[in-house]
Amino acid sequence: DTGVSQNPRHKITKRGQNVTFRCDPISEHNRLYWYRQTLGQGPEFLTYFQNEAQLEKSRLLSDRFSAERPKGSFSTLEIQRTEQGDSAMYLCASSPRLAVSSTDTQYFGPGTRLTVL
Amino acid sequence: AQSVAQPEDQVNVAEGNPLTVKCTYSVSGNPYLFWYVQYPNRGLQFLLKYITGDNLVKGSYGFEAEFNKSQTSFHLKKPSALVSDSALYFCAVRDNSNSGYALNFGKGTSLLVTP
Repeated sequence: DTGVSQNPRHKITKRGQNVTFRCDPISEHNRLYWYRQTLGQGPEFLTYFQNEAQLEKSRLLSDRFSAERPKGSFSTLEIQRTEQGDSAMYLCASSPRLAVSSTDTQYFGPGTRLTVL
Repeated sequence: AQSVAQPEDQVNVAEGNPLTVKCTYSVSGNPYLFWYVQYPNRGLQFLLKYITGDNLVKGSYGFEAEFNKSQTSFHLKKPSALVSDSALYFCAVRDNSNSGYALNFGKGTSLLVTP
């Protein structure tokens, strides 16, 4: 399978714990995105990387959230001191670098469903 | 600011009938428009996109969408619905005057195709 992969697929944690999710993009895609999707809503943008550089962050990305892409390949999203409001599906997407970069299609992974008790 | 609206929470259609899922958008510049489909407990699958050119865009699984600039709409259509088309459909927009790459998604429309 050469699509975007995410691990774990499901995570249950207690409030106050830290969690980390991993995303492996499609090979040679240099752009990587994180979104959050809550029940009954569309995905909401969190952050974006081009190679290892984090170029864009949403105001949704509070100081408890941190994302990294250290070698420009896989990425991790960490949530510290989780709250019940963090319960959501966390989606990762990747896109290739094209000549007209703004037309990139984002390809999504299956997501990690986080439940905070 | 950029946004999309999907005015229908749910669309019901009988198998074999044509289907339309509506989307309207608001952007400052010219829009880049996308449709994605989501099956239960799955990520989003790309269906089609409009960037420029022909207003009628053809995509995966027999879906197409028509870009209408005067009505700021990008409705998703299929001539003959299948039961397997039942899923959640999301419209998304990106404003080409914005240097960012984030997609702004609608709330989604649940499509139910009955046999």
